[in-house]
Amino acid sequence: DARVTQTPRDKVTEMGQEVTMRCQPILGHNTVFWYRQTMMQGLELLAYFRNRAPLDDSGMPKDRFSAEMPDATLATLKIQPSEPRDSAVYFCASGLGQGRMNTEAFFGQGTRLTVV
Amino acid sequence: AQKITQTQPGMFVQEKEAVTLDCTYDTSDPSYGLFWYKQPSSGEMIFLIYQGSYDQQNATEGRYSLNFQKARKSANLVISASQLGDSAMYFCAMREGEGRRALTFGSGTRLQVQP
Repeated sequence: DARVTQTPRDKVTEMGQEVTMRCQPILGHNTVFWYRQTMMQGLELLAYFRNRAPLDDSGMPKDRFSAEMPDATLATLKIQPSEPRDSAVYFCASGLGQGRMNTEAFFGQGTRLTVV
Repeated sequence: AQKITQTQPGMFVQEKEAVTLDCTYDTSDPSYGLFWYKQPSSGEMIFLIYQGSYDQQNATEGRYSLNFQKARKSANLVISASQLGDSAMYFCAMREGEGRRALTFGSGTRLQVQP
């Protein structure tokens, strides 16, 4: 049963600490998305990769956030330093993005981040 | 401007009844796709149904159907014969630009199915 795997599921950290979230996309998928979900803002796109190259990271605060794909099986989202306003659920999703409109994004279970 | 608008923050429906969740969208791109996702209380995002801008017929997937009215730019989700397990948040989303862009989501509608 292919699925997107995110670790950790839950993370509580102190303000100022570095946080790294990991995502293993579905094997064979060439697009990876990072979304952040909060009550106030809903689901916001942070970053979008295709074939490991960043296509859109305009939604990501550049001063503290960074997203990378070291290889096709791993995507990472880092926050350094973390702040209480970063508390949210962070979703990774993967899909097939060969210009096909009808390919849905498959979501991981999310990482619930709490910064105290 | 909001790309995706879901005007119903919450909806109630009786078990076994049908319910329509509203979604309107805004795009000038002739090629786009519309998606509905379900998010139960456990938090995962589950894909339900897709409608392409060039599709002539409304999409259906089991008890889910999409009422696509292109001129009105609406893509309402219809759930027939509601079940208690349908209680969840429902998100409408759009992809523009021949699939080159990521999904943009609406604010969601919380559906509660009552016995």
